[in-house]
Amino acid sequence: EAGVTQSPTHLIKTRGQQATLRCSPISGHTSVYWYQQALGLGLQFLLWYDEGEERNRGNFPPRFSGRQFPNYSSELNVNALELEDSALYLCASSLSEVWETQYFGPGTRLLVL
Amino acid sequence: AQSVTQPDIHITVSEGASLELRCNYSYGATPYLFWYVQSPGQGLQLLLKYFSGDTLVQGIKGFEAEFKRSQSSFNLRKPSVHWSDAAEYFCAVGEVYADKIIFGKGTRLHILP
Repeated sequence: EAGVTQSPTHLIKTRGQQATLRCSPISGHTSVYWYQQALGLGLQFLLWYDEGEERNRGNFPPRFSGRQFPNYSSELNVNALELEDSALYLCASSLSEVWETQYFGPGTRLLVL
Repeated sequence: AQSVTQPDIHITVSEGASLELRCNYSYGATPYLFWYVQSPGQGLQLLLKYFSGDTLVQGIKGFEAEFKRSQSSFNLRKPSVHWSDAAEYFCAVGEVYADKIIFGKGTRLHILP
């Protein structure tokens, strides 16, 4: 069974640009979560999508947004990139409730110059 | 407020020695508890989880954890570490009907030969 996949693996952008990160969940999982892992800060919860709807978002500005498609894959968009957005962005998927075990993808490393 | 604390940022142990990684949480009455491991350049892999029942939980790779409600702790243990256990370990906590799980900031484990 395929795990959670993310693309691209690495992304280099400059300040002010937009970044789009993609995630495909495990087959049968309807929930997708996005986390930011910046150096020394652990995993910070960004967004939770389930059945195409945003169920919760973390304490991040509105320039962090996303969506979930009918096939349950998801996209994270970061607008007006800032240097401090440089981080590893992890996607996870689970069955429909947040307390179900989350399975993580390998992440997208975003570098903002 | 809900929180997870991993008091040790770094721990170093010799190969073959025993290991205990600490995790303390502040949460509701019925927490769901998880330990994940992140090897260099990888996403997170679930080691074990506690939902209810027996307070001593067995996981993969020879790890176990004990839930102690009176101490609000969920410490991870392994009787004999291997060099391949060098990684970062994250404790996480959730609750039924919660809208996210919360991760600790992680403990980086170093193994001496």
